[in-house]
Amino acid sequence: AQSVTQLDSQVPVFEEAPVELRCNYSSSVSVYLFWYVQYPNQGLQLLLKYLSGSTLVESINGFEAEFNKSQTSFHLRKPSVHISDTAEYFCAVRPLNTGFQKLVFGTGTRLLVSP
Amino acid sequence: GAVVSQHPSWVICKSGTSVKIECRSLDFQATTMFWYRQFPKQSLMLMATSNEGSKATYEQGVEKDKFLINHASLTLSTLTVTSAHPEDSSFYICSARDKVARYEQYFGPGTRLTVT
Repeated sequence: AQSVTQLDSQVPVFEEAPVELRCNYSSSVSVYLFWYVQYPNQGLQLLLKYLSGSTLVESINGFEAEFNKSQTSFHLRKPSVHISDTAEYFCAVRPLNTGFQKLVFGTGTRLLVSP
Repeated sequence: GAVVSQHPSWVICKSGTSVKIECRSLDFQATTMFWYRQFPKQSLMLMATSNEGSKATYEQGVEKDKFLINHASLTLSTLTVTSAHPEDSSFYICSARDKVARYEQYFGPGTRLTVT
């Protein structure tokens, strides 16, 4: 079975400051890794994903995440946040077993950006 | 990009009535659709997985007679909450797996259900 841990339930930060949202996972098999963002009263939007290849993946709005296999982590970072980045962020994994496996979500981290 | 829609976006119903939520994949065919439930300030809880033309597979603890799922076509799945009670009030999100890009799973905008 897989599990995803997001230790920080809430991260307050000032605008233009850097931020890191932590994600660690546990799995006996290899996994795909995802970050989703949820704005208030909306569904989830895929922010970025790691499937294979370069361990550093980037999104179009300045976020990046690095897959660290030895530490089983996939932390999300942004060098300078905006007010509009205020949202809930979910880390998720999908195991690479045969067939389509279900996403396993972390409990989420609420990013609060203030002026 | 792939779009998943849900209708309605919010609904208020009286206790004891049933409510149907539709989930559609607008520009792709979805072999599999997933229904999630999200309580305030919590993560998504998978309720059930449905494949087109077959019965849904429910997660442990989810009452299949209360949450009826129908996956009638490759672009439409419905969730019916039967005999709704206030404790069923929640945010319901559907998700669809692309038949072609098989590792991709797209999420709908969610439906907020309030049972009075």
